Amino acid sequence: QVQLQQSGPGLVKPSQTLSLTCDISGDSVSSNSAAWDWIRQSPSRGLEWLGRTYYRSKYRSKWYSDYPVSVKSRVTINADPSKNQFSLQLNSVTPEDTAVYYCVRSVQAQLEVPHVDYWGQGILVTVSS
Amino acid sequence: QSVLTQPPSVSGAPGQRVTISCTGSSSNIGAGYDVHWYQQIPGTAPKLLIYVNSNRPSGVPDRFSGSKSGTSASLAITGLHAEDEADYYCQSYDSSLSGWVFGGGTKLTVL
Repeated sequence: QVQLQQSGPGLVKPSQTLSLTCDISGDSVSSNSAAWDWIRQSPSRGLEWLGRTYYRSKYRSKWYSDYPVSVKSRVTINADPSKNQFSLQLNSVTPEDTAVYYCVRSVQAQLEVPHVDYWGQGILVTVSS
Repeated sequence: QSVLTQPPSVSGAPGQRVTISCTGSSSNIGAGYDVHWYQQIPGTAPKLLIYVNSNRPSGVPDRFSGSKSGTSASLAITGLHAEDEADYYCQSYDSSLSGWVFGGGTKLTVL
């Protein structure tokens, strides 16, 4: 059974960087068959995918990251295999970034759209001075 | 405004059948991208209900079913139970946005 445990501050000041970490148990962040994503949820914006990181060794062993265009300039998602965890950094936050942030595991078969099979508990991050 | 459109609310009596629609466009569902469905009890994380249009994960009752056609997808729930009262979300991929997109969610009320 995969478990995802999130941690990080619940309050961030405007213009600063939001940083969250997700500890993985029951799987490896270096898995060749999963990706590790961040999703947020707010009443005004609903569910919003922030991006993912994943490791693939089939052709050339390397880490990949994907981000939607809406946040690409502000988001970085990194993996730390030594700690079996991954992280989210969101720069230049504004009150609109106030949301519940979830770390998740996503899986997909070839050519399918990924779906989430495991979710973290969620953490409310408020952007306010 | 969400890229995928869902009705804000649906309702039904115990034992009845309800459907929830998820309408997209030619850059997401209409382009052939898969649709997934999640159930969220308020205060908890969403839970996978249907993946790749019509597949149920282990443990999800067969009262839940999904389908996809053209630019839309649907979630059907038969034999409504009180515990089905929750918010339901669809998810797909949008090529113009280069990422996953979600519906705005549908609140199911069991009368």
